[in-house]
Amino acid sequence: GESVGLHLPTLSVQEGDNSIINCAYSNSASDYFIWYKQESGKGPQFIIDIRSNMDKRQGQRVTVLLNKTVKHLSLQIAATQPGDSAVYFCAETRGTALIFGKGTTLSVSS
Amino acid sequence: DTGVSQDPRHKITKRGQNVTFRCDPISEHNRLYWYRQTLGQGPEFLTYFQNEAQLEKSRLLSDRFSAERPKGSFSTLEIQRTEQGDSAMYLCAGDRGRMNEQFFGPGTRLTVL
Repeated sequence: GESVGLHLPTLSVQEGDNSIINCAYSNSASDYFIWYKQESGKGPQFIIDIRSNMDKRQGQRVTVLLNKTVKHLSLQIAATQPGDSAVYFCAETRGTALIFGKGTTLSVSS
Repeated sequence: DTGVSQDPRHKITKRGQNVTFRCDPISEHNRLYWYRQTLGQGPEFLTYFQNEAQLEKSRLLSDRFSAERPKGSFSTLEIQRTEQGDSAMYLCAGDRGRMNEQFFGPGTRLTVL
């Protein structure tokens, strides 16, 4: 069935590097795509979202890119810090719920 | 801190026992959601409420599961006759009518022995 998924289960970077986390989706009808960060033992924390009629949105140190042609979503984190270490999920709004992918574990080493 | 709280944070129970979890969203959250998350997976939708009305239930929500939101504020999720396969993190989320602005609680981790 249709789902939101991530390309890589893990990503390791050095502190100060830029990180790019990718996500492929299959449902073109979703209104919003959202990135969540989940630290161990905690619930998902909203990072940034993008509406389906946009292709780029920037936040503080984060940028989300949406390529509807190839159904691809990415999260770019600038100057990655150890505190960014977590599992990152992309999610899409579909009907009355969020549909999540499997997650990418980001590890940041000093 | 999203302001959404869940209780208990951890629950260990024996197979066959009943368990109940509570979620307290912030007062502005007219919509409340329950999700289940197993290890290594993203959260999966279980059910949602608009105020006190339960408007949708996932096929994941077997007849052993029941959720309530009696006054449109806090919500409870009960699992009867727990099975080992019920072991997971149960997450509650709330929003004010915009799904892209859902805020999650810390979750209740259930372990069924």
